Amino acid sequence: KNQVEQSPQSLIILEGKNCTLQCNYTVSPFSNLRWYKQDTGRGPVSLTIMTFSENTKSNGRYTATLDADTKQSSLHITASQLSDSASYICVVSDGDYKLSFGAGTTVTVRA
Amino acid sequence: NAGVTQTPKFRVLKTGQSMTLLCAQDMNHEYMYWYRQDPGMGLRLIHYSVGEGTTAKGEVPDGYNVSRLKKQNFLLGLESAAPSQTSVYFCASSYGLQKQYFGPGTRLTVT
Repeated sequence: KNQVEQSPQSLIILEGKNCTLQCNYTVSPFSNLRWYKQDTGRGPVSLTIMTFSENTKSNGRYTATLDADTKQSSLHITASQLSDSASYICVVSDGDYKLSFGAGTTVTVRA
Repeated sequence: NAGVTQTPKFRVLKTGQSMTLLCAQDMNHEYMYWYRQDPGMGLRLIHYSVGEGTTAKGEVPDGYNVSRLKKQNFLLGLESAAPSQTSVYFCASSYGLQKQYFGPGTRLTVT
């Protein structure tokens, strides 16, 4: 069964600090890995999409890495802001319509 | 350009009642999806559509029906609501198997 595991489940950081979120997956075959940001009460918004051949991709202060050999990905948030408080969801595609979603990591940024 | 919109935003149903959730997108996307999001779990695909007049079952289709009579609209129906269908429902659309754009969600409670 395809699975996507995220850790930690939640974390609290001070404004201006960095943090890293982890994603491990067992999806096969693998097509691409996506990170989404979901604000409370809103729908998910895409941050990055990485294919097998890409091992890093940035979107502003968000940097995602991918190790397709170990089936691991991380999302690094640099110089966090209050607006980064959200749930971050790791999503893996097998190349077909079906996406496998992680349960998300809830990030709380405190002033 | 409104993106993906969902109607209604909130709804409370009694067990056995029926209702229809409406999703509309103005991006001319072929693919549309209905997901449900439950606490502590990743989004799960209910039904999806790869074009006007076509629909297919996702991961958790039981108790739901869908229709795609127009390219821009995707309807999700609950014929006889059950408490287990209490959830937040998200619609999404995409151009092929590319990035999915999500709506703001519909929070449904079945008592």
